Amino acid sequence: NAGVTQTPKFQVLKTGQSMTLQCAQDMNHEYMSWYRQDPGMGLRLIHYSVGAGITDQGEVPNGYNVSRSTTEDFPLRLLSAAPSQTSVYFCASSYGLEANTEAFFGQGTRLTVV
Amino acid sequence: RKEVEQDPGPFNVPEGATVAFNCTYSNSASQSFFWYRQDCRKEPKLLMSVYSSGNEDGRFTAQLNRASQYISLLIRDSKLSDSATYLCVVNAGGTSYGKLTFGQGTILTVHP
Repeated sequence: NAGVTQTPKFQVLKTGQSMTLQCAQDMNHEYMSWYRQDPGMGLRLIHYSVGAGITDQGEVPNGYNVSRSTTEDFPLRLLSAAPSQTSVYFCASSYGLEANTEAFFGQGTRLTVV
Repeated sequence: RKEVEQDPGPFNVPEGATVAFNCTYSNSASQSFFWYRQDCRKEPKLLMSVYSSGNEDGRFTAQLNRASQYISLLIRDSKLSDSATYLCVVNAGGTSYGKLTFGQGTILTVHP
């Protein structure tokens, strides 16, 4: 059972570089989202998608882009990395938007921007 | 004020102890509530949903007080394996349906 798969697990970027964090799920979930986790801040929503072709901004979207061309994949793009984007990034998916729907998380990507 | 607030701890308790975590949320329109568990350097995983009537899963009991906008988690007979960060999570509902808001987490360490 693959569930939610994120790649890479670790990444070091130089300021100004761009990169894409990959996220794929094999559970046919409609809802996918990206969070970042910083010490003392909890997880904060970056972007989310309610289905293929539909995306929207979360709480902290600046500096990130997303697209959802298929149900399975939801990549997160950093346009021009900044040290403030050093964080742990989690992708999550859930079956729908109904109350009490469980969210399944990928293993996370630890990103350092120097 | 943060939308979801937890006491970050850390809580250090001996095996067999009972420990309780509290959480408050600011959005009175919130629809659903959860406790997630996160082990060190791992992803969050659902521990249990929280229902208005209160619910129990083995040694874990969750309660919700909508009037006070307060959620709690009680762990009885603590085990070493319960050591983790416990995240209080709220689904806002309405146009924000599906968007989860996380507390900063409460760290629990259970020692022998």
